[in-house]
Amino acid sequence: NAGVTQTPKFQVLKTGQSMTLQCAQDMNHEYMSWYRQDPGMGLRLIHYSVGAGITDQGEVPNGYNVSRSTTEDFPLRLLSAAPSQTSVYFCASTHRNEQFFGPGTRLTVL
Amino acid sequence: AQSVAQPEDQVNVAEGNPLTVKCTYSVSGNPYLFWYVQYPNRGLQFLLKYITGDNLVKGSYGFEAEFNKSQTSFHLKKPSALVSDSALYFCAVRDSPTGANNLFFGTGTRLTVIP
Repeated sequence: NAGVTQTPKFQVLKTGQSMTLQCAQDMNHEYMSWYRQDPGMGLRLIHYSVGAGITDQGEVPNGYNVSRSTTEDFPLRLLSAAPSQTSVYFCASTHRNEQFFGPGTRLTVL
Repeated sequence: AQSVAQPEDQVNVAEGNPLTVKCTYSVSGNPYLFWYVQYPNRGLQFLLKYITGDNLVKGSYGFEAEFNKSQTSFHLKKPSALVSDSALYFCAVRDSPTGANNLFFGTGTRLTVIP
């Protein structure tokens, strides 16, 4: 199993641009989530999904959209990037109370 | 509301000495507690969890954690630190089994093991 994969690893955007961070898992986990990690703030939940077709907001959802058309994929969309969205983004899937994290995407918004 | 506090941003310990990384939590129901480790430029790796049962939980790489309900703490410990244990450690909590699988993370503690 590849586990949780994320692409790209690094991305630089200009303010106002849009992009999609990809996340996929091959463990058939129903629950997936997106976090952002900022210095001194730990990880904060952006959006999560309890299964295909079902998504919900986390702690910091503004400026981000998600969809879950399949069990495997859970993309995160930035509609109009802002410098405040400069962060490291982690996708995770959960099984039996254990979260499996992807390697992260480091995003810089200029 | 759920919250986690890691009171120390940085912990330094000499190689071979015991280490402790502190964590306290606040939940309305029964806590599910977790420790994760993050090595540079990597994602988070699961170390151990407390759901129910024995208050002393053993995890990966020789780490253990003690759940103390009266003190609402879940400190991470290791009897003898290795230089390779140097990393960023996160405590996380989830409130009750009926809620969503959402974890609330502490701000992290950077552990440095000095050779």
